[in-house]
This record gives sequence, C-alpha cells and structure tokens, in this order.
Amino acid sequence: EAEVAQSPRYKITEKSQAVAFWCDPISGHATLYWYRQILGQGPELLVQFQDESVVDDSQLPKDRFSAERLKGVDSTLKIQPAELGDSAMYLCASSLEHSSYNEQFFGPGTRLTVL
Amino acid sequence: GNSVTQMEGPVTLSEEAFLTINCTYTATGYPSLFWYVQYPGEGLQLLLKATKADDKGSNKGFEATYRKETTSFHLEKGSVQVSDSAVYFCALSGVQGAQKLVFGQGTRLTINP
Repeated sequence: EAEVAQSPRYKITEKSQAVAFWCDPISGHATLYWYRQILGQGPELLVQFQDESVVDDSQLPKDRFSAERLKGVDSTLKIQPAELGDSAMYLCASSLEHSSYNEQFFGPGTRLTVL
Repeated sequence: GNSVTQMEGPVTLSEEAFLTINCTYTATGYPSLFWYVQYPGEGLQLLLKATKADDKGSNKGFEATYRKETTSFHLEKGSVQVSDSAVYFCALSGVQGAQKLVFGQGTRLTINP
C-alpha cells in the first residue's frame, strides 16, 4: 500500500542550528501539506503546495522557515535558525485531487527536539 | 475564525462500553467534517467523514452525524475494544475553498480490558 514517507523520524538539535525535513508524497498526489503538531494540540497547517506552487503559506514563520517542492514531487521543510519553541512533530500529508472532500494521507512525522 | 472544539481528555473506558467524543465547530459557510485517529507510534489516519448536513459517516463501528443546527459532529461507538485506544481528532476543511484541515486539540482514549 502506498504511503507518505518522511525522514528523519527523529531530530535533536541545538537552538540556532539549521534543520531540514524531507517528505515524499504518494505517487501521483498533486497536493502536499506540511503541518506542525505541538504536544497536546492538534496539527496546524504550515504550508500547502499544489504541484510545485505554494497555495497557502499564511501560517509559515517566513523569517526562519522555508519550504520547497521544486519538481512537484518530494518536498523539503527547513528551519534556520531553530528556536526552543520549534520543538514539535512535523507532519507531511498528500492528497490526490484539488478538493476539500478528498482524503489527506499523512506520513509518520518527524519529531523535532530543540535544546 | 474557523475552529474546532473537542471534549477534554483523557477518556478512560472499560471494554464494551459506549463511547461518545463531543466535537463542535465554528466556520463560515459549510465545511466538510472529519474524524482522524492516531494510534500509538503511527501517523494520522482518516476514520470517517461527512461532507454535508445530516450526512452520517461510519467506519469500523464508529459513527458521526453532521448536525448543522448544533454545529456538531460527535463521534460514537456502541462497544469499544482495547484496540480502539488512540488519540482522536475532529477536523474541518473546505471553508471558503480552502483544502487545509483545521483540527481540534485531540482526545486521548484508553480502553481497559
């Protein structure tokens, strides 16, 4: 069964360092999402791509976060510099169609700890 | 703004008990509503969905009905099992054309044998 792949699964870094997360969506899924889930809370959207274009990055802290999906397939989310408050689970999801009814499939996430 | 509120957890039940997890929403327009489940060590999985008022979503013995008049989408199951232990998230999407999911804070459910 096709799955969304993410790496690494766990990342520990010191504040002010740079970190990067990778996501490979299900083959053929045009829409890709990055969510952040703080412990004890629900996920919140950081950025949404349709193919290689950004559709929504209104909640992305652009002073330190960046995201790209250069060929419209896999995607990278970067934080530079990392801050203590960035400790969270970073989830990637993908969906097949440009529709709110369409199921979003989630990867296992990357758990980031900033010391 | 658009938001989802779930009942506070954690919830602990005995096996075969009846489950209700309350969910209410605030949204402009008519969103689609979802329940996602997160089993220990796994990613979020769609449990069920409803796309318009009075629709009932169902899966694995779980049910939820889209109630526009009360802006609610409560999750129910008649007889829970130990394997249902997980964190459950209510979510909405489709407000003003946006596809992103807006999640509640999650409810941790533990079922004791």
